[in-house]
Amino acid sequence: DVKVTQSSRYLVKRTGEKVFLECVQDMDHENMFWYRQDPGLGLRLIYFSYDVKMKEKGDIPEGYSVSREKKERFSLILESASTNQTSMYLCASRNQQWARQGEQYFGPGTRLTVT
Amino acid sequence: AQSVAQPEDQVNVAEGNPLTVKCTYSVSGNPYLFWYVQYPNRGLQFLLKYITGDNLVKGSYGFEAEFNKSQTSFHLKKPSALVSDSALYFCAVSTPKGGSYIPTFGRGTSLIVHP
Repeated sequence: DVKVTQSSRYLVKRTGEKVFLECVQDMDHENMFWYRQDPGLGLRLIYFSYDVKMKEKGDIPEGYSVSREKKERFSLILESASTNQTSMYLCASRNQQWARQGEQYFGPGTRLTVT
Repeated sequence: AQSVAQPEDQVNVAEGNPLTVKCTYSVSGNPYLFWYVQYPNRGLQFLLKYITGDNLVKGSYGFEAEFNKSQTSFHLKKPSALVSDSALYFCAVSTPKGGSYIPTFGRGTSLIVHP
């Protein structure tokens, strides 16, 4: 079974702090994704990565950056956390070979609260 | 632009009754469609997908979905609902982006199954 893990289930940070969210997958997937989930808005793509050191902006990249130095790990960085970044953050991975028809595998999510 | 719509924020059904969660899509070309489920405080789990072929797709946990090209719909169904089916359900369509394909998610439908 594919396993996607996220470093924290719950995180509380202060406004202005730099925040790191880590995601690790164990199935050698090339593609990795970061979403935020807010009630009534569904899932919105922040960034995705085709492969190591490759990244592309999603629909809402402002205020975020990412790092993919190793294939199994995809990090989301909030450079200066703000209260409007309070949300559930979901990481996912996928096999690039099946990019169009392949399903994603999601981590359990990190619920981030910025105070 | 590719998109999916889930017209119901919430669906209520009694245990043992059939359930339907609706999804309509808008794509250019052939659609690749997915359903995911999210149980409370968990990440998303893949349920089923339509790529081509038979219009009735069977998936996990007894769920199935009917692809209807003329109505541009991909409704999720189950003949007999269980209380444990109560969860958030997301429809998604594979969308071309930057040389790859990215799922575009609907806003989600909360399914509540009453005992």
